Amino acid sequence: DTEVTQTPKHLVMGMTNKKSLKCEQHMGHRAMYWYKQKAKKPPELMFVYSYEKLSINESVPSRFSPECPNSSLLNLHLHALQPEDSALYLCASSQDRAVETQYFGPGTRLLVL
Amino acid sequence: GENVEQHPSTLSVQEGDSAVIKCTYSDSASNYFPWYKQELGKRPQLIIDIRSNVGEKKDQRIAVTLNKTAKHFSLHITETQPEDSAVYFCAARHTGNQFYFGTGTSLTVIP
Repeated sequence: DTEVTQTPKHLVMGMTNKKSLKCEQHMGHRAMYWYKQKAKKPPELMFVYSYEKLSINESVPSRFSPECPNSSLLNLHLHALQPEDSALYLCASSQDRAVETQYFGPGTRLLVL
Repeated sequence: GENVEQHPSTLSVQEGDSAVIKCTYSDSASNYFPWYKQELGKRPQLIIDIRSNVGEKKDQRIAVTLNKTAKHFSLHITETQPEDSAVYFCAARHTGNQFYFGTGTSLTVIP
């Protein structure tokens, strides 16, 4: 089973709202990722968790807050977002080995009004 | 860190012709190179990958070649079909968990 699931599929939120995106995988992968993607652009890495520890934190604004409750789950908490944060948010997972690929979830289409 | 460049950014071919997309990378430690196809509104999906100990890999109409010395790898699609129309991303990975993506190629196959 090479499936990564994400909820919700679509989300519309105001700039003062708090919401969370959820991601789950049952492939036994120990690395999980959050990406932000704009139309026709490559996925832009936001966070990587390896063995439930944040190992890379790019210069992502603090209004995005990741959480990894266990090795199968990854959340992204959103607070006080800006309209420019509207994008497709992709979760992915991979084995923690350098020659293995990553598998993407279907994404959450986020619109910030 | 790694830098991956991808060309061309857009490519139009007639149905039945071949399409070639090229990527270069900068870090000689990179040893895994996947290619993803992304249709409009959908997730990136792995279509083929190659590891650094292999020079070429084929899967039906799709092939990937790797030149480690020159640090470039290419995607070849033969006998293109309209359903091949999508955005294609190359990527590189070395030690660690980070994948470095190319900028993408928007392929249009004209019936």
